[in-house]
Amino acid sequence: DTVLTQSPALAVSPGERVTISCRASESVSTGMHWYQQKPGQQPKLLIYGASNLESGVPARFSGSGSGTDFTLTIDPVEADDTATYFCQQSWNDPNTFGAGTKLELK
Amino acid sequence: EVQLVESGGGLVQPGRSLKLSCAASGFTFSNYYMAWVRQAPTKGLEWVAYISTGGGSTYYRDSVKGRFTISRDNAKSTLYLQMDSLRSEDTATYYCTTEREGIHSTWGQGVMVTVSS
Repeated sequence: DTVLTQSPALAVSPGERVTISCRASESVSTGMHWYQQKPGQQPKLLIYGASNLESGVPARFSGSGSGTDFTLTIDPVEADDTATYFCQQSWNDPNTFGAGTKLELK
Repeated sequence: EVQLVESGGGLVQPGRSLKLSCAASGFTFSNYYMAWVRQAPTKGLEWVAYISTGGGSTYYRDSVKGRFTISRDNAKSTLYLQMDSLRSEDTATYYCTTEREGIHSTWGQGVMVTVSS
């Protein structure tokens, strides 16, 4: 299975720019997607196909990358962005998720 | 409003069965592939199964093959997951999702399944 590696946690101040990384153990082309999960809630799709913003998601969120290295950028970060962010690949079977990066605001 | 509402979870003993349901509304259910994704307590996300629009094609992760069965009733806009021979490692919150090309675009609120004696 394709393993997705994410940093476990980040802490930033409101108004700053933050990048969350996801590295795949093998190429996933642009079949990478990002989800936000707030405490006690279900995940929410933010970015699909590595860089496409899901409808209704603020333009502060953006994604980039291809192959094995991907990033989710939030600029500027707001207090409401406190959450865990998961990457997920659908290029290789079975589709797999990263362990998540917990974003905390200072 | 697009909505997915899961039900049927609970506490069950190892080896027993449980059937989850997911009621869909606000979109044309029969046009969408559907999936179940689970999340063990304080753990990450794990795809479990998905089903084609008409129900003719189904796919499962290896650890649930032969034990879980995904199905759908398009007339009732409802997705199901029949879980047999449950194990402690199946303990998780189970989410129903719409699925397109591997992307889980809409999620239900989740239902908890606890397998314990």
